[in-house]
Amino acid sequence: DQQVKQNSPSLSVQEGRISILNCDYTNSMFDYFLWYKKYPAEGPTFLISISSIKDKNEDGRFTVFLNKSAKHLSLHIVPSQPGDSAVYFCAASEVTGNQFYFGTGTSLTVIP
Amino acid sequence: DTEVTQTPKHLVMGMTNKKSLKCEQHMGHRAMYWYKQKAKKPPELMFVYSYEKLSINESVPSRFSPECPNSSLLNLHLHALQPEDSALYLCASSQWLAGSSSYNEQFFGPGTRLTVL
Repeated sequence: DQQVKQNSPSLSVQEGRISILNCDYTNSMFDYFLWYKKYPAEGPTFLISISSIKDKNEDGRFTVFLNKSAKHLSLHIVPSQPGDSAVYFCAASEVTGNQFYFGTGTSLTVIP
Repeated sequence: DTEVTQTPKHLVMGMTNKKSLKCEQHMGHRAMYWYKQKAKKPPELMFVYSYEKLSINESVPSRFSPECPNSSLLNLHLHALQPEDSALYLCASSQWLAGSSSYNEQFFGPGTRLTVL
C-alpha cells in the first residue's frame, strides 16, 4: 500500500519558470517530510524538509509547502534551471515510526 | 563531513558467487539503511539498523545478509543471487531512526550498481 504518492510521473518546464512538484500522503501520523533529487545511477540527494508544525520552508530557489488538512505537499523551484532536471522523490516519516516512506518520483525536465 | 561512501561502484557477479557490498559514514549517525532501487521506481527498503542492531528486515530473501560491524560500517553480503536481483543498491544513514525527531535527514550514498548474470 503506497502511503506516499506522486501522481505526475513527469513534468517539463521552461528554463526560468516555476516548477511545481506535488506529493500526496494517506497516513495522518506522518509528521516530517523530505524532498530528494536523484540523477540516474546516483544516490538521492537531500534537498529540503519540513516538519508538520510548519506550512512552509524555504531554502534558496526551493520552497516546500505543506497542507496537512489536504495531506498534500509541494515543492516549488523558482527559477528552474537545466541542472534541476532529475527525478524528485518526496518522503515522509511518522513520529513513532522507524523508516522513511518514499513516493514514486516525478521526472523533471527543464528545457533551456 | 556529510558523506556516505559505498564500494564497489559497480559489481557484476554470477549466480553462484559470494560478494559483499560495503557502506561507511563518519557523521556519527546511529541509524543505517539498505535500499534496493530499480529503474524508474522509488527506493525499496530492505534493512534498517539502529545502534548496530537490526531493527527492520522487510521480508528480504536470505540470499541477502546484512551486517553492521560497528557504528560507521554497514555491509550487505550476497550469495546465490538471481538475475532479477540486478539493481542499484543504496546505503543511507540518519542521525536517529526515522521518526525519532524532525530534522533527521537521511543521507544516501552513491549506490552500487549490481548486475547478476
